[in-house]
Amino acid sequence: GENVEQHPSTLSVQEGDSAVIKCTYSDSASNYFPWYKQELGKRPQLIIDIRSNVGEKKDQRIAVTLNKTAKHFSLHITETQPEDSAVYFCAARDDKIIFGKGTRLHILP
Amino acid sequence: SAVISQKPSRDICQRGTSLTIQCQVDSQVTMMFWYRQQPGQSLTLIATANQGSEATYESGFVIDKFPISRPNLTFSTLTVSNMSPEDSSIYLCSVGGQASQETQYFGPGTRLLVL
Repeated sequence: GENVEQHPSTLSVQEGDSAVIKCTYSDSASNYFPWYKQELGKRPQLIIDIRSNVGEKKDQRIAVTLNKTAKHFSLHITETQPEDSAVYFCAARDDKIIFGKGTRLHILP
Repeated sequence: SAVISQKPSRDICQRGTSLTIQCQVDSQVTMMFWYRQQPGQSLTLIATANQGSEATYESGFVIDKFPISRPNLTFSTLTVSNMSPEDSSIYLCSVGGQASQETQYFGPGTRLLVL
């Protein structure tokens, strides 16, 4: 079955700097890659996703890249703000969504 | 996106008892899933709830421990049976389309503590 690896597990960046989270997946049949943000005590919220026929997608300060050959995808957050502090999960889907272990992002003042 | 509700939002239970969690969606959805999130951990898929047939369980999860019902396209239940403290987790319902590139959305979760 699918296995999703996510790095780093914890990331601290200065407010205004960029944050990058990287994931790899094992199943070449996976063709949908969502990213979720989970704030403390809340449900995971979809923030951006990318499909296998696209190499890059951007939504304001958030961008995701996908390299299907290498089976890895990344989340980029630019101009980080305090409200970006949360746990971020990458995921890969063929018939069901499998999650990475998460990255706890701290934005430092 | 669909509006998803879960009941109860939280509960404290004694070991050996069972709890049934309900998931209600405001529109018909093809796929419904149940996840578990242990404290400080990621989300682990328990099973896919299939309408009109038995749920499809992931490795490590069995029907006797986590019976699931899905009587229609807007409702599902997950029962946590014969609970132990190790079952203390957040249980989340998730819904999505059938196509493999469709998004999944999550319910608010049920926070369970087993004493």
